[in-house]
Amino acid sequence: DAGVIQSPRHEVTEMGQEVTLRCKPISGHNSLFWYRQTMMRGLELLIYFNNNVPIDDSGMPEDRFSAKMPNASFSTLKIQPSEPRDSAVYFCASSLVGEAFFGQGTRLTVV
Amino acid sequence: DQQVKQNSPSLSVQEGRISILNCDYTNSMFDYFLWYKKYPAEGPTFLISISSIKDKNEDGRFTVFLNKSAKHLSLHIVPSQPGDSAVYFCAAGSGNTPLVFGKGTRLSVIA
Repeated sequence: DAGVIQSPRHEVTEMGQEVTLRCKPISGHNSLFWYRQTMMRGLELLIYFNNNVPIDDSGMPEDRFSAKMPNASFSTLKIQPSEPRDSAVYFCASSLVGEAFFGQGTRLTVV
Repeated sequence: DQQVKQNSPSLSVQEGRISILNCDYTNSMFDYFLWYKKYPAEGPTFLISISSIKDKNEDGRFTVFLNKSAKHLSLHIVPSQPGDSAVYFCAAGSGNTPLVFGKGTRLSVIA
């Protein structure tokens, strides 16, 4: 298995633009997580899905953030409109039991 | 309110010596704990874990110790090697809920 695949690896966008981050989890995993890494907060959970259903989105910072998982092999995290403070590395991870496997992340820069 | 705390943002150790990374948690419901290692521009990768029913788990140069009464765990790396230089994240979980991560400790092993 190629592991968790995220795209794009890097994204630079202007403030106010819509940004969509994509994730393909490991086949067979039933849980998918979106994390954000910043210097101040470390790795913080934004939202997680179990069997494609959003279970807890309390970590989503604002209504500007939304996430979907239309099927077991694909998820998106959308920010609309984006702001400079959204600049961070966004990780997608998937798991079956216990240990989570991470993608390589998307480094987002909003200027 | 951080449930998992890594109070040392950074640590420098001489090659060949022992590296000790510490982690404290507040939620007594956590039933397993993990350490992840992260290199720049990569996602975190699983390193070692321990169940709450154990107090020690060893894997080669890596040993994790758990002190439940103190709600404290530590990762020992001995001997430390330059390739161990990375950010180490402590994580805790229970059941099928998402892992909760600390902010990470940057380890530098000096040759």
